[in-house]
Amino acid sequence: NAGVMQNPRHLVRRRGQEARLRCSPMKGHSHVYWYRQLPEEGLKFMVYLQKENIIDESGMPKERFSAEFPKEGPSILRIQQVVRGDSAAYFCASSPSGQGNSGYTFGSGTRLTVV
Amino acid sequence: AQSVTQLDSQVPVFEEAPVELRCNYSSSVSVYLFWYVQYPNQGLQLLLKYLSGSTLVESINGFEAEFNKSQTSFHLRKPSVHISDTAEYFCAVRLAGATNKLIFGTGTLLAVQP
Repeated sequence: NAGVMQNPRHLVRRRGQEARLRCSPMKGHSHVYWYRQLPEEGLKFMVYLQKENIIDESGMPKERFSAEFPKEGPSILRIQQVVRGDSAAYFCASSPSGQGNSGYTFGSGTRLTVV
Repeated sequence: AQSVTQLDSQVPVFEEAPVELRCNYSSSVSVYLFWYVQYPNQGLQLLLKYLSGSTLVESINGFEAEFNKSQTSFHLRKPSVHISDTAEYFCAVRLAGATNKLIFGTGTLLAVQP
């Protein structure tokens, strides 16, 4: 039973390019969360999705960032026209329900470097 | 608004010594509390959690944390640390009955020295 799978592990983009980060939740999990970890900072919540629905996007920057979790396939975090300040580790987590009593299961993250 | 405070950004300690990593939270409603551990270049792993019942919770690798409602704290302790415990430790809260969003502290780096 594979855990939360994120790819790629490392991603390098030039300023102005697009970055697409993928997250496949654990089998049986239908709730996905994206967090961003800036250097020497904690994890900041970005967005919470359930299949085909965005439940809470209060942590998403208003521009250039979007997320989806289609009925089929992984969840995608998309960053358009990347800037150096987008360089960070992006973590995905999943849970079997919205109750969250058991906490999340995290993936190993995607480390985005914008050059 | 809810928040989590980890006052110590780094805690150096010698091997086999005891350690306490502090965590305080602010919330006007009931919360669930979690500790996560992050080893270098890896994701976060759940270490232990408090949902209800006994205020003292334990992990399988010797860590324990105690929920203190009056002091709004959830400090993490271990009586004797190992080199392998060197990692970043994050405290997190989730509001009971609210959306399933975890709010994290800024983390504490536990640096165990031989």
